[in-house]
Amino acid sequence: GAVVSQHPSRVICKSGTSVKIECRSLDFQATTMFWYRQFPKKSLMLMATSNEGSKATYEQGVEKDKFLINHASLTLSTLTVTSAHPEDSSFYICSAKGASGSGEIYEQYFGPGTRLTVT
Amino acid sequence: DAKTTQPPSMDCAEGRAANLPCNHSTISGNEYVYWYRQIHSQGPQYIIHGLKNNETNEMASLIITEDRKSSTLILPHATLRDTAVYYCIVRGGSQGNLIFGKGTKLSVKP
Repeated sequence: GAVVSQHPSRVICKSGTSVKIECRSLDFQATTMFWYRQFPKKSLMLMATSNEGSKATYEQGVEKDKFLINHASLTLSTLTVTSAHPEDSSFYICSAKGASGSGEIYEQYFGPGTRLTVT
Repeated sequence: DAKTTQPPSMDCAEGRAANLPCNHSTISGNEYVYWYRQIHSQGPQYIIHGLKNNETNEMASLIITEDRKSSTLILPHATLRDTAVYYCIVRGGSQGNLIFGKGTKLSVKP
């Protein structure tokens, strides 16, 4: 299946700082990328959907000024958690779907996740 | 997208088939059934999806009832590495979003 990578896998930051998480589709062009967050022992919650070259669509209750999403290319999306606070500590997972150069349509594949801890 | 109902947990003996049920009684005609699983502290892994016909791949089989109101994911020979939370998701083709429910926590025991 298609490969989606995330970087970093784990990050610890101080309260008030910003953290950027990268999501890359390694062998296909991701026309759409998704960002989820997951609290311990809970299910994944969709935060936002982004299409390459356009603004992200945020789910209800997700602050767009706090969680900045950029999907500037067909293989890269970034999530920036601005002015992070301890309650932002969570497992952030990106997902991508799109098509390969040969036109093969990919289902939605997920990255390995980034564990953010805000102290 | 239609909602799904899954049992919160199941056990399975190693080497036996694991049959994970899912109810999706409000599914509409153009909605697909997707299965993903999530091993602890990893991103979800795609398993299989189907519309109305049964599907099989190298990981699992998906059996969808004729009325499409329920389905079963079958792992034919469960191993300890299949211990994970399995999510059944109904989505309107390639356009809808994947909305995760609580899933079924499958524990494969030796």
